[in-house]
Amino acid sequence: AQSVAQPEDQVNVAEGNPLTVKCTYSVSGNPYLFWYVQYPNRGLQFLLKYITGDNLVKGSYGFEAEFNKSQTSFHLKKPSALVSDSALYFCAVRDRGSTLGRLYFGRGTQLTVWP
Amino acid sequence: IAGITQAPTSQILAAGRRMTLRCTQDMRHNAMYWYRQDLGLGLRLIHYSNTAGTTGKGEVPDGYSVSRANTDDFPLTLASAVPSQTSVYFCASSASGGAGANVLTFGAGSRLTVL
Repeated sequence: AQSVAQPEDQVNVAEGNPLTVKCTYSVSGNPYLFWYVQYPNRGLQFLLKYITGDNLVKGSYGFEAEFNKSQTSFHLKKPSALVSDSALYFCAVRDRGSTLGRLYFGRGTQLTVWP
Repeated sequence: IAGITQAPTSQILAAGRRMTLRCTQDMRHNAMYWYRQDLGLGLRLIHYSNTAGTTGKGEVPDGYSVSRANTDDFPLTLASAVPSQTSVYFCASSASGGAGANVLTFGAGSRLTVL
């Protein structure tokens, strides 16, 4: 079975400080991994993905994520947080053998960046 | 602007009534999906369609049906709504191959309340 865990419901960080939003996954084979962001009353927006290759993936708005196969993790990071980064963040996984787009999402982590 | 249009934006519905949520995309994506978002549960896949004329069941298909008569439209029908179907519903689409594969584009959502 495929699953994603986001262990923190909320992450609070001061503007200018680095941020990390954690994600661990479980799949039967090699994973495709994704991060999406949701602003209030909006649909989800794609941030970045890991398919293959370099374990450090760079995405939109200065975000990056590191794929760690031994720890089955895909944590989202940003060196310097902005107030405008405050949003709900979702990690998602797909087994390479499963149906295209059939993603399994975590429960989401609410990121709040304080000015 | 290319993207996904969902209608209605919001609806209050009496239990037992039939309801169809509409979804239209103009990106010529082959694959389309319906997810529901519930607090603390993240997003769960209801139904999907890999191409026009085909559909499949996701994680939580019971009480819902879909059709895919053409590439652009993917309506979701609740034949007899129940209060547990109160949720925010998101339609999404993705390309079948190339750089856009595995990346979902989401609509803005339809908030449904069943009383």
